[in-house]
Amino acid sequence: LAKTTQPISMDSYEGQEVNITCSHNNIATNDYITWYQQFPSQGPRFIIQGYKTKVTNEVASLFIPADRKSSTLSLPRVSLSDTAVYYCLVGDDPGGFKTIFGAGTRLFVKA
Amino acid sequence: DGGITQSPKYLFRKEGQNVTLSCEQNLNHDAMYWYRQDPGQGLRLIYYSQIVNDFQKGDIAEGYSVSREKKESFPLTVTSAQKNPTAFYLCASSITFTRDAYEQYFGPGTRLTVT
Repeated sequence: LAKTTQPISMDSYEGQEVNITCSHNNIATNDYITWYQQFPSQGPRFIIQGYKTKVTNEVASLFIPADRKSSTLSLPRVSLSDTAVYYCLVGDDPGGFKTIFGAGTRLFVKA
Repeated sequence: DGGITQSPKYLFRKEGQNVTLSCEQNLNHDAMYWYRQDPGQGLRLIYYSQIVNDFQKGDIAEGYSVSREKKESFPLTVTSAQKNPTAFYLCASSITFTRDAYEQYFGPGTRLTVT
């Protein structure tokens, strides 16, 4: 699986847009990019997945440039409840058998 | 409601005792997984099962054992051979061999404390 690099932590204020970037320089042709969210003492929750360009759902947007060597998770107008750890995963079977969750990005949303 | 259940939420054991963590899913998923999470760390894969009666070691299988006798159930036993068993244990499942396999569904976790 391709190795990913994310910031260890980020701070934001309520109502702001938050962008978390993940670097995956060795991404392979068949690899998808998947983001999960984890609250303390809970299991991670799938947020969004994409292959190229832009994907949007009711929770977030995922921007993937043409070279696919990075991706940006965008959370619009965050609230205190968005304080969590966000994981970026890359692989052609990210929901499968060798899923690797790194340390993720700890997002702190302040009032 | 479909989902994954883990029990108990908190578990306390004395050192030297084996302990079994329960994981049940009613999502009709073929694949199931066990992860371990230590404070401030990411998740590490212990074991996974692609289908009933089959399972494979993950990255940190030593000191753990699993069984997959039923599609719905994937219990994890933490044996006395596991040197640092105190951790947060997460079970997950996913549909396999389709595009939708990319999404894993996680249970609420079991926090195991061994003293």
